Amino acid sequence: NAGVTQTPKFRVLKTGQSMTLLCAQDMNHEYMYWYRQDPGMGLRLIHYSVGEGTTAKGEVPDGYNVSRLKKQNFLLGLESAAPSQTSVYFCASRPGWTLTGETQYFGPGTRLLVL
Amino acid sequence: SQQGEEDPQALSIQEGENATMNCSYKTSINNLQWYRQNSGRGLVHLILIRSNEREKHSGRLRVTLDTSKKSSSLLITASRAADTASYFCATDGGGKLIFGQGTELSVKP
Repeated sequence: NAGVTQTPKFRVLKTGQSMTLLCAQDMNHEYMYWYRQDPGMGLRLIHYSVGEGTTAKGEVPDGYNVSRLKKQNFLLGLESAAPSQTSVYFCASRPGWTLTGETQYFGPGTRLLVL
Repeated sequence: SQQGEEDPQALSIQEGENATMNCSYKTSINNLQWYRQNSGRGLVHLILIRSNEREKHSGRLRVTLDTSKKSSSLLITASRAADTASYFCATDGGGKLIFGQGTELSVKP
């Protein structure tokens, strides 16, 4: 199993450009998450999904949109990138709402630089 | 705002010594989890302790939870240079994790 993969690994954008980050998991997990990590800080939740076709806002959703059209994929979109969105983005997944399904599995991250 | 606050922010020890990291949180939780992050990598789950548990062990890791004080600690015994990483606590209050700012651990050979 590849686990959680993220595409691309690194991207440079100009202010105002748009892009989509792709997260894929091959573990048949129900829940998927998008986080951002800024220097010296922990992870902050952007959006999450509790199943195919569902999405919900996290702690810092402004400026981002998400879609979960297929269970294995969770897309994060930036419609008009701003320098404040320069960050490392992590995707994670977890099995679901069971006692043994609470651990999250993380992807390797996408480094985004907005100039 | 972040729920967990970790202490210390940075810790430097010699190989073989024990490392203790503390985490405090603000609201009620279902469980508390500890994750490790090597430089430039994603997070890896270490251990989960439920709100009705007080202590849990996994290999060289020992986690305690005091829900009355809303605090947890992670002890790594007999540390190794390979333990050098950032360690994060994360509280789970209903399917979403809220992370602390992390403790940066450096273990010198």
